Amino acid sequence: EVQLVESGGDLVQPGGSLRLSCAASGFIFSTYWMHWVRQVPGKGLVWLSHIHNDGSKTGYADSVKGRFTISRDNAKNTLYLEMNSLSAEDTAVYFCASGYNYAFDIWGQGTMVTVSS
Amino acid sequence: QSALTQPASVSGSPGQSITISCAGTNSDIGSYNLVSWYQQHPGKAPQLMIYEVSKRPSGVSSRFSGSKSGNTASLTISGLQAEDEADYLCCSYVGSRNFAYVFGTGTKVTVL
Repeated sequence: EVQLVESGGDLVQPGGSLRLSCAASGFIFSTYWMHWVRQVPGKGLVWLSHIHNDGSKTGYADSVKGRFTISRDNAKNTLYLEMNSLSAEDTAVYFCASGYNYAFDIWGQGTMVTVSS
Repeated sequence: QSALTQPASVSGSPGQSITISCAGTNSDIGSYNLVSWYQQHPGKAPQLMIYEVSKRPSGVSSRFSGSKSGNTASLTISGLQAEDEADYLCCSYVGSRNFAYVFGTGTKVTVL
């Protein structure tokens, strides 16, 4: 079965850090661009970051540039998002997704990140 | 980069056709034929319904179709069914210079 499973979401204090993981199975992970997208409950989706198949290229939305770092381990079929300097505005459900022709075709179920004191 | 503009809600009766608009600018939708559409049921992950403006992934019903004119993309659902009640979001690639994608504000589809 093709699937992505996120983990690592938690309650964290403002200014804190968190690392999200996204485990892939059922497809050749190393051949896909991968993305992180977030959604404040009840609101729309926001694209955050992407990484090339081999990890050689990355990109970030302005809202997270310099604070978030995307990476991947193709040997472990796992995508990561390292998040630093978190604020209440980062509270959201975080989804990982695989890229397909400039769209997002496989999505994980999401992991909740809450930033609060 | 501002979000693409979608109507907050659209409704229709079973069997009818509805169209959801997604308005952008000449920097996003107007510049690329790389618009995608997603269906999202409450508490679930989004599902890709349309990519590259009008292409359907394998397994997506032919009742879903996409188009684009200028800076506005559209998703049409024909033969509306109860299971189509969900949120729909558009998305556009905005170019490698920005390494970014922009999503729409989302539209709640209600089947009357």
